[in-house]
Amino acid sequence: NAGVTQTPKFQVLKTGQSMTLQCAQDMNHEYMSWYRQDPGMGLRLIHYSVGAGITDQGEVPNGYNVSRSTTEDFPLRLLSAAPSQTSVYFCASSYSASGSYEQYFGPGTRLTVT
Amino acid sequence: GDSVTQMEGPVTLSEEAFLTINCTYTATGYPSLFWYVQYPGEGLQLLLKATKADDKGSNKGFEATYRKETTSFHLEKGSVQVSDSAVYFCALSLGHTQGAQKLVFGQGTRLTINP
Repeated sequence: NAGVTQTPKFQVLKTGQSMTLQCAQDMNHEYMSWYRQDPGMGLRLIHYSVGAGITDQGEVPNGYNVSRSTTEDFPLRLLSAAPSQTSVYFCASSYSASGSYEQYFGPGTRLTVT
Repeated sequence: GDSVTQMEGPVTLSEEAFLTINCTYTATGYPSLFWYVQYPGEGLQLLLKATKADDKGSNKGFEATYRKETTSFHLEKGSVQVSDSAVYFCALSLGHTQGAQKLVFGQGTRLTINP
């Protein structure tokens, strides 16, 4: 059981480039989400999904797209990177039937946009 | 809106010292409260939680009590170890929609324990 995996661990982009941050979980969790972590601001929710084919916006969705074609995968796309998107990105998942709604986090992707 | 405020860090203590990290919240309903810990280079892990007023969450020697009257969820540990060095996040959740648990995080408090 690998839990929540994220790739890549580190990425440097130039302004205007596009890329996809990958997130996968092997726990059959329904709920998946993306957060960004910035110094002094904690984690902020970007997008989330309650199941395959269903996504919704979080607190800071601008500049990011998501899709959920399978239960396992929840990629985050940056269509035109900006320096303001320099951050550490975390993917998380949880399973409603557990009753606790504990979220399991991946190890993170550190993104720098120059 | 809903928010969480933690004490400013960084916090530096000696081994075996008593730890308190303050956390207060603002919420329109009756949230569940959580403490997450982030060790260097890793993602967040749930440390403890409390789902209703006066509940006490505990794990690995850490404790926090849900105080509705003071809207607080302070984290405490009687005797810290070097291995407790990490960043600690307080968070709240106002429940779930179709299984979604949306968390609102505090800004995090970096704790360093010196031997």
